[in-house]
Amino acid sequence: GQQVMQIPQYQHVQEGEDFTTYCNSSTTLSNIQWYKQRPGGHPVFLIQLVKSGEVKKQKRLTFQFGEAKKNSSLHITATQTTDVGTYFCAGPDLSGTYKYIFGTGTRLKVLA
Amino acid sequence: EAGVAQSPRYKIIEKRQSVAFWCNPISGHATLYWYQQILGQGPKLLIQFQNNGVVDDSQLPKDRFSAERLKGVDSTLKIQPAKLEDSAVYLCASRSNYEQYFGPGTRLTVT
Repeated sequence: GQQVMQIPQYQHVQEGEDFTTYCNSSTTLSNIQWYKQRPGGHPVFLIQLVKSGEVKKQKRLTFQFGEAKKNSSLHITATQTTDVGTYFCAGPDLSGTYKYIFGTGTRLKVLA
Repeated sequence: EAGVAQSPRYKIIEKRQSVAFWCNPISGHATLYWYQQILGQGPKLLIQFQNNGVVDDSQLPKDRFSAERLKGVDSTLKIQPAKLEDSAVYLCASRSNYEQYFGPGTRLTVT
C-alpha cells in the first residue's frame, strides 16, 4: 500500500545549528502537508505544497516539494529551543477523498 | 474561533472493558477524522466522516471499534472490548479547505 517515510527518525542538534528532515512517498503526490507536534501536544498544520519544485518559507523554516512530487523536505535554519517537537509530512491517499497518510515523523531535540 | 474539543483527556481501563471518546469539531467543518497515534508513530486514520456519512473506514477494526456522527456535528468513537494494543492517543480532527485542525486527543491506557 501507499507509504510515506521520513528520515531521520531522531535528530539532536545544538541550539543555533540547522536541521533538515526528508519525506519520501511510494507514490506521486498531488500535494504534501507538514505538521508539527510538540511533546505531549497534538499535530498543528504548518503548510501545504502543491507545485512540482515548489519552495516556501516561513521565517526560519524552508519547505520544498520535489520535482517528481514524490519527496519533500523541511529545513530549519538556526534552530531554537521552541523548535523542539516531531515533524510529520502527510500525503493524500490516492482515493482523492482528502484522506491523508502521515509519515513516520522526525523527532527533533534542541540542546541549549 | 474555538478549536476541536475532545473528552475525556485521559482514560485508563482494563482489557475487555468498553470505552467511548467524544469529539466536537470546529463549527461549520463538514469533514471529521478520527486517528489513532501509537507512541513514536504518526497518526493513523481510523475513520473519516463527511457531514454524517462515512467516507472511509477501511482501517477501522470493525469487530471492536465503532464510530458515529449522527447529526453531522459531534462524533463518538467506541471500543468494545478493548485490547492491550489499543493503548494510544486518539485524535479527532476537522477540516477546512485543505487544513486539518486537531483536538488535544484522548490518551487511552489499557491494562
